[in-house]
Amino acid sequence: DAGITQSPRHKVTETGTPVTLRCHQTENHRYMYWYRQDPGHGLRLIHYSYGVKDTDKGEVSDGYSVSRSKTEDFLLTLESATSSQTSVYFCATSTHSGTEAYEQYFGPGTRLTVT
Amino acid sequence: GENVEQHPSTLSVQEGDSAVIKCTYSDSASNYFPWYKQELGKRPQLIIDIRSNVGEKKDQRIAVTLNKTAKHFSLHITETQPEDSAVYFCAAPDRATGRRALTFGSGTRLQVQP
Repeated sequence: DAGITQSPRHKVTETGTPVTLRCHQTENHRYMYWYRQDPGHGLRLIHYSYGVKDTDKGEVSDGYSVSRSKTEDFLLTLESATSSQTSVYFCATSTHSGTEAYEQYFGPGTRLTVT
Repeated sequence: GENVEQHPSTLSVQEGDSAVIKCTYSDSASNYFPWYKQELGKRPQLIIDIRSNVGEKKDQRIAVTLNKTAKHFSLHITETQPEDSAVYFCAAPDRATGRRALTFGSGTRLQVQP
């Protein structure tokens, strides 16, 4: 499973509170991603990182921010959680290279419930 | 960005039958097409992928075919078994936006009836 862990694995929080999810990898992969998974929508990209302190927005980035201060850690923050952010969040890493290999390896997921 | 459509959304087959899932993509420059399997409560895992310089790739009971002209690719599972029951996702690179990321289809829930 490419040595990817996520914490916490489950969280219940109240509307308006800040939440931070952590992704940790031991594979030294350059690229890291945050997705959310909702029924009928597959996996949608929130933000991704292409190196330490280098991040970019995905298709559903509103209400989320990220940070990457070390190669192995990628944090996703919900500044003020809303019920629409109830979802399963997956972190992924990639062995992307100059030949444009996009294999992605996923973490175990975090189930977030906003009440 | 890349638009990936996946069909069908659900598929039920009898054990031993074949299953086919199809995806279409919009960016003719896309060059990498993976398929992921996600069992209930688990993480998605890569099961097979294909690059645009080949038309077909096989790995035991699973195969992927690519039609670049029509911009679609398909997953074929032969001799299905109950353990093939899962949600399957296709994906394609999001090259149009410049992101080094994948755009995923909405998934197909495959049920193999014993």
